[in-house]
Amino acid sequence: AQSVAQPEDQVNVAEGNPLTVKCTYSVSGNPYLFWYVQYPNRGLQFLLKYITGDNLVKGSYGFEAEFNKSQTSFHLKKPSALVSDSALYFCAVRDTGTASKLTFGTGTRLQVTL
Amino acid sequence: DGGITQSPKYLFRKEGQNVTLSCEQNLNHDAMYWYRQDPGQGLRLIYYSQIVNDFQKGDIAEGYSVSREKKESFPLTVTSAQKNPTAFYLCATADRDTEAFFGQGTRLTVV
Repeated sequence: AQSVAQPEDQVNVAEGNPLTVKCTYSVSGNPYLFWYVQYPNRGLQFLLKYITGDNLVKGSYGFEAEFNKSQTSFHLKKPSALVSDSALYFCAVRDTGTASKLTFGTGTRLQVTL
Repeated sequence: DGGITQSPKYLFRKEGQNVTLSCEQNLNHDAMYWYRQDPGQGLRLIYYSQIVNDFQKGDIAEGYSVSREKKESFPLTVTSAQKNPTAFYLCATADRDTEAFFGQGTRLTVV
């Protein structure tokens, strides 16, 4: 069974500092990996994805993520955090073999302070 | 205006009632999904469908039912067998190599 782990319920960072939100996954085949952000009472907004190719993926709003196959990780990063980045972040995985089932992690709340 | 439309935005259910949440898409995506979101538990997959007239149970399908009679529509019925239905429900669509696109959600409350 495929799964996603986000080990941190909350990450706190000061504005201007780099941020990392961690994600590890488990699938039987090759993964498609995704990061989403959610603001209160809204649906999820797509940030970036890894399908194939370069392990470093760049996405919206200055976010990037690095696919590490040996560690089965896909951590989300940003060089300089903004207060407006404060939100709930979700990592998700889809097994290319099973094509459709899309599994999410439990989410990590990012709090950026001045 | 392309996208995914979930309705209603807010829904109230009495004990013992069935209610149906609507999800319509005009993105021409094959796959559609229903997720339930509770505080601190992330998104849990209820049902998903890869093609018309076919769907699979997700991780928490008990007390829910779906249909996929048209590519554009994937309604979710919350039955009286679902004992704790109060939650935020999200519908999503995707194609094989794309990210999932989400609707704005329906907040269901039992009164």
